Amino acid sequence: NAGVTQTPKFRVLKTGQSMTLLCAQDMNHEYMYWYRQDPGMGLRLIHYSVGEGTTAKGEVPDGYNVSRLKKQNFLLGLESAAPSQTSVYFCASSYHRETEDQETQYFGPGTRLLVL
Amino acid sequence: AQKITQTQPGMFVQEKEAVTLDCTYDTSDQSYGLFWYKQPSSGEMIFLIYQGSYDEQNATEGRYSLNFQKARKSANLVISASQLGDSAMYFCAMREGLYNQGGKLIFGQGTELSVKP
Repeated sequence: NAGVTQTPKFRVLKTGQSMTLLCAQDMNHEYMYWYRQDPGMGLRLIHYSVGEGTTAKGEVPDGYNVSRLKKQNFLLGLESAAPSQTSVYFCASSYHRETEDQETQYFGPGTRLLVL
Repeated sequence: AQKITQTQPGMFVQEKEAVTLDCTYDTSDQSYGLFWYKQPSSGEMIFLIYQGSYDEQNATEGRYSLNFQKARKSANLVISASQLGDSAMYFCAMREGLYNQGGKLIFGQGTELSVKP
């Protein structure tokens, strides 16, 4: 099992360029998430998905779009990158649960994005 | 609004000693979950421990334990017998929303722990 993988690991963009970050998980998880981490701060949720074909906004969704066409993949798109989007992006996934028992979200290794 | 507060930006501990990292939370939900993650300098997020709001006993995972005081809304992480490899950033997080509806995590700002030999 590879767990949660992210592509690419590092990217430099110029202001106004677009790109897509890919997250893939091989654990058959229903839920997937995109977070961003800025210096000196914890992670903040951008968008999330509770299943194939469904997405929802998180705390900081502006400037990003997402798609989940396949259960195992969750894509994060930047249509017109801005310097404020310089950050480390983490993808995570978790099981659907019917009871409040042991939970966890499994994180990918992160993507470092620099927007000049 | 739900919120996680970690008041210790940085902590030092001597190797082999125990250390407590503080975390307080604010929520009006009856059901919630509390998590601790470790982020070493390499950057990955490593899950350490989980506490459900209905759990009466404090969670333990090896050298990690979570001191859950529901009335005080605190969920402190205790690391026993610190090791040099414990040096990292530690994040407290809380699940927002129901566990069966894609519970999202809210993170604190983190505490940087340094273990001295």
